[in-house]
Formats: sequence, structure tokens, C-alpha cells
Amino acid sequence: TQLLEQSPQFLSIQEGENLTVYCNSSSVFSSLQWYRQEPGEGPVLLVTVVTGGEVKKLKRLTFQFGDARKDSSLHITAAQTGDTGLYLCAGYNFNKFYFGSGTKLNVKP
Amino acid sequence: KAGVTQTPRYLIKTRGQQVTLSCSPISGHRSVSWYQQTPGQGLQFLFEYFSETQRNKGNFPGRFSGRQFSNSRSEMNVSTLELGDSALYLCASSPTGWDTEAFFGQGTRLTVV
Repeated sequence: TQLLEQSPQFLSIQEGENLTVYCNSSSVFSSLQWYRQEPGEGPVLLVTVVTGGEVKKLKRLTFQFGDARKDSSLHITAAQTGDTGLYLCAGYNFNKFYFGSGTKLNVKP
Repeated sequence: KAGVTQTPRYLIKTRGQQVTLSCSPISGHRSVSWYQQTPGQGLQFLFEYFSETQRNKGNFPGRFSGRQFSNSRSEMNVSTLELGDSALYLCASSPTGWDTEAFFGQGTRLTVV
């Protein structure tokens, strides 16, 4: 059983569309990270959210941490082919990172 | 500032052999964690080292071991390799391990045949 559940598992959309990826848990986390990973490479940190209710924007990407610090969402506006990859959320507690199973995003031209 | 460096990038080993993977963390980072990534299980935590001591351990058999040197470089060893050990092995470094961010290397792709 994954401590962090991500949905959807797979997402295939056309360039220009919007999308939202969810990361949910029954546990409270002191912080939550979002990573993007391309095939054969390590995950690259996109953002860290720490405060419940926090919203962070990174160009076309908007990240939100739930008020109770149990869930998070990643919204991409006007997706581009360069956004293709595996998106992972990771919760941090007690000196350990717990990773979600990932959302595989494919943006078609 | 150099990132996390893992060597080698690719390895092919035979069942029953052993393998050693290396990870050099970002300069100044003292915590190194290791993860196994497979399509079916996702990212699974193996162990974390800080100041040459194993501080945290995941649920992997004793065939998986590691160590950390005084310069914070870390090695991971897998003995008696099984086909199921085929995976991308990732290491991540952070300054103290109590930080809220970790930085990953590119990984070592291990294939057991």
C-alpha cells in the first residue's frame, strides 16, 4: 500500500490543454515535494510546499498544498510537449521521503 | 556547484553475482539516501546514511547493503543478484537529511540476466 496515492496514473492530452494531477494521503506531512522525471534520468525537484493551504506558481505550473497538509495538486496550464514526463509527489516525515506511484503525462503535439 | 553523481550509469550483471554502485553527493551535503525504482513498485526507499552511519532503513533484504565514507560519498552493494533486482537505482543527497528537499542523481540502470 502506497502512503501517497497519485491520480491519474496516466494522462495523454493535446498540447494547449490544461490538466491537474492529485496526490493524496491519510497522513499529515511536514512538507511535500513535486518532481518530474524523464526516462532514464533521476527525478528533478520542481517545488516544495510547506504550509497548509500554500499555493506556489512556477510559470505554467501551479502547486497547492492542502489545508490539512495531507494532499497536494499540480495544475498545468496550456501544456506543452516539453511537459511530458513522470510526475512524482513525495511527502517528508521523520527524516524519510515517501513517494507516490507517479503520474505519467504525455503531451501530444 | 556540481550535482549528485552516480556511477556507473548502466550495468549488466548475471544472476548470483554481486554489484557495487557509487554516489557522490553535492558538496557539503552529508546525507545520502538510496532508492530502487521499478515500473511495478515505483520508488522504494532502501536506506539513508549520515556521517558514515546508517540512520534509516527500508524494507529490503540483507543482500542490499551500503556504506558512506568520510567525504560523504556512498556506495551501495547488492549480493547474490536476482532477476527482480533489475531496476533504476537512485541516490539523493541533502545537507542534513532533516531537510525538506532532496536532490537526485541520474541513477544507475542495473539489468540482471
